[in-house]
Amino acid sequence: TQLLEQSPQFLSIQEGENLTVYCNSSSVFSSLQWYRQEPGEGPVLLVTVVTGGEVKKLKRLTFQFGDARKDSSLHITAAQPGDTGLYLCAAFQGGSEKLVFGKGTKLTVNP
Amino acid sequence: DTGVSQNPRHKITKRGQNVTFRCDPISEHNRLYWYRQTLGQGPEFLTYFQNEAQLEKSRLLSDRFSAERPKGSFSTLEIQRTEQGDSAMYLCASSLRTSGRRRETQYFGPGTRLLVL
Repeated sequence: TQLLEQSPQFLSIQEGENLTVYCNSSSVFSSLQWYRQEPGEGPVLLVTVVTGGEVKKLKRLTFQFGDARKDSSLHITAAQPGDTGLYLCAAFQGGSEKLVFGKGTKLTVNP
Repeated sequence: DTGVSQNPRHKITKRGQNVTFRCDPISEHNRLYWYRQTLGQGPEFLTYFQNEAQLEKSRLLSDRFSAERPKGSFSTLEIQRTEQGDSAMYLCASSLRTSGRRRETQYFGPGTRLLVL
């Protein structure tokens, strides 16, 4: 079973700060997804990265897929309280349709 | 709202009771997935359907758990003889499988939070 390790597990920052969270594995993935989950809700897909070295931007969020397609990072610029949530990375396991998730990074942005 | 819906949103039950959850996927989606999420963890895959056929089941899905999708539309997840360890958020997701190799996006519902006392 491939394991997705996310770090840090918790992050509490002030509004306006920048941050980076990481998703690492020893396995190679054909693609990797990032989700955000708010308390009491289901995860919402933010982005899918497919190509090694790929960088995708979503407003103040920048996603990068490692060259070897084993790891990914999410960078948030000038964080806002609305960015608060659980950020999860996920990938499909082998040839199955099963999505495997990391444990997530719980981000709190204080006003 | 045309997203994935789940009912009930919350369920409190006593140990040993049976519970059933319902998931209504996005209307044209032919695939439906069930996941379980415990506190401090990411979602864990339980099972999935393509139309009415259950194609994959996780080892997490013990014989007390059964899922159905009788007409290929909504799905139910039943837990018999609930245990305290069953307390979790049960998430449903759906997707539209088309031809080709690219995996399609799974859209998640808001979940049903189960508490077993």
